[in-house]
Amino acid sequence: DIVMTQSPLSLPVTPGEPASISCRSSQSLLHSNGYNFLAWYLQKPGQSPQLLIYLGSNRASGVPDRFSGSGSGTEFTLKISRVEAEDIGVYFCMQALQTPRTFGPGTKVDIK
Amino acid sequence: QVRLQESGPGLVKPSETLSLTCTASGDSIGNHYWSWLRQTPGKGLEWIGYIHYNGNTNFNPSLKSRLTMSVDSTKNRISLTLSSVTAADTAVYFCARDWVTAGWLDPWGQGTLVTVSA
Repeated sequence: DIVMTQSPLSLPVTPGEPASISCRSSQSLLHSNGYNFLAWYLQKPGQSPQLLIYLGSNRASGVPDRFSGSGSGTEFTLKISRVEAEDIGVYFCMQALQTPRTFGPGTKVDIK
Repeated sequence: QVRLQESGPGLVKPSETLSLTCTASGDSIGNHYWSWLRQTPGKGLEWIGYIHYNGNTNFNPSLKSRLTMSVDSTKNRISLTLSSVTAADTAVYFCARDWVTAGWLDPWGQGTLVTVSA
């Protein structure tokens, strides 16, 4: 199985400030079609995960442009340009290159 | 906009079979793949497997021997059964639409908590 790791696991943030989360995979997630099969999700308190970023860098429909994804191969980053209070929750990365799909342990983002 | 709703018993006894359904509204089951996942505080998010309307399935090897999935197109829902459950199967179970060839899951249902206990 592809092992996904994230850092940090906890991220206190100040509204209006930027934030960044790293995700690493044990194998390259670059598909033969040229896309990285890496997605980012946010799980707000009491809710199910919601898709933020797919194929490494594409924002899902309705996701604010303060969220951006980058990276390729085995190293990926999710950035929030200016954190808002509604962005608190747990952020997960997920690889979909191979089955079983696997997830990172999650990064808990809360307000300082 | 598709909405997914998981349902099933919240409590299952050890060694018995866990059965859940996921009903879709706003989209046809026949058009997509559908995944089941579960989440525990200890193990995090775990992908269980997916099924397509045509019966094509792909299961997590760690659960494959105990797992069945099916599609009921008349009720626009998918089902999951997991046999011989133990306390380790206690989790919140989610269904999600799986864009298999494109690499993401969206949307997810709200999830349902299943506790395995005598």
